[in-house]
Amino acid sequence: DTEVTQTPKHLVMGMTNKKSLKCEQHMGHRAMYWYKQKAKKPPELMFVYSYEKLSINESVPSRFSPECPNSSLLNLHLHALQPEDSALYLCASSQERADQETQYFGPGTRLLVL
Amino acid sequence: EDQVTQSPEALRLQEGESSSLNCSYTVSGLRGLFWYRQDPGKGPEFLFTLYSAGEEKEKERLKATLTKKESFLHITAPKPEDSATYLCAVLAGGNEKLTFGTGTRLTIIP
Repeated sequence: DTEVTQTPKHLVMGMTNKKSLKCEQHMGHRAMYWYKQKAKKPPELMFVYSYEKLSINESVPSRFSPECPNSSLLNLHLHALQPEDSALYLCASSQERADQETQYFGPGTRLLVL
Repeated sequence: EDQVTQSPEALRLQEGESSSLNCSYTVSGLRGLFWYRQDPGKGPEFLFTLYSAGEEKEKERLKATLTKKESFLHITAPKPEDSATYLCAVLAGGNEKLTFGTGTRLTIIP
């Protein structure tokens, strides 16, 4: 089983709203990732958690706030977003944040900021 | 800086017409090369991981190969359901993140 689940599938929010994206995996993976993907572009890494600790932040604006409550869950809290933040947000996980580990992606959350 | 280039950008094939997608890379110390398939509005679906030159992996109509400079994704007798964007990504050197190519958009015409 290589399933990563994400909720919600779609989200529309105003620039003053606060919302959260949720990601879950039950593969026992210890590394989890958030990516942002714009149309016809490859995924761009945002954050990496390794053993529930934030290990990489790719200079993401503070209006995006990640959280890893436990080894199976990853959240992305959104606040005061801009229309240009509209994108597909992807979660991924891998066995370890190690040299050769394959990353498995979830189906994504399609976010529209009005 | 690691670079990954995929070609062609888009490819239209008739059903049953075999072809290959290319992923060229310039990296310092390849640790792994990954192929993903992505349908519109969905997350990338893992296909293959290749670690060293000469390695080959197959899954149904797809076969991935790796040399020291590039990887090919061969598709044999494709069907319309193979239509998708195919992404190549590498892990290399001391880098801790995947470097993606821009993808090949494949369309199989019935």
